[in-house]
Amino acid sequence: EADIYQTPRYLVIGTGKKITLECSQTMGHDKMYWYQQDPGMELHLIHYSYGVNSTEKGDLSSESTVSRIRTEHFPLTLESARPSHTSQYLCASSDPGQGKLAGARKETQYFGPGTRLLVL
Amino acid sequence: KNQVEQSPQSLIILEGKNCTLQCNYTVSPFSNLRWYKQDTGRGPVSLTIMTFSENTKSNGRYTATLDADTKQSSLHITASQLSDSASYICVVSDRGSTLGRLYFGRGTQLTVWP
Repeated sequence: EADIYQTPRYLVIGTGKKITLECSQTMGHDKMYWYQQDPGMELHLIHYSYGVNSTEKGDLSSESTVSRIRTEHFPLTLESARPSHTSQYLCASSDPGQGKLAGARKETQYFGPGTRLLVL
Repeated sequence: KNQVEQSPQSLIILEGKNCTLQCNYTVSPFSNLRWYKQDTGRGPVSLTIMTFSENTKSNGRYTATLDADTKQSSLHITASQLSDSASYICVVSDRGSTLGRLYFGRGTQLTVWP
């Protein structure tokens, strides 16, 4: 079982509210990620971080923002929630992996349990 | 376009039976391929990871195979159990950056009936 936690697990909120989804890991991983996943669909990377004070946008355009002030903490914030933000949000962190064969890296991502967000 | 396609989309089998899930990808340059198990309402958990030099990798009753030439992978589950009911996700990483860009399939939803 990976030591990565997300809160809240479920959140129902009204349109226009500001929300922060929490993610913490106790494995000392430098890399952390936020994914968005709709039912039956693939995960989409929305934010990632290589370490403290490092954040980047992912592939899927998102109106959310992230911060990385501490290694173990990677919160995601929505300034004004909308129904289109309804989804499952998964946080992950990764270790550097073992083995480096011709550029191939066996980096393993550990996922949190996710936050299911419903915006009314 | 880099893509990961999984089949079947869903599968129902009886407890104790074997099954095989398929993953085809077009990701290039290829770095590694992973299979994840995602229980309902939970985050994905890694089952196996293979680089281009590995043809097969086992994890208990789960055996993954990789054919880097045809860009195909399979996940074989032996003697299925009720707890195997989950979504199985194929994830392919490219070698284009330090991040190792990940391409996710939509998963195969497996249901094991008693």
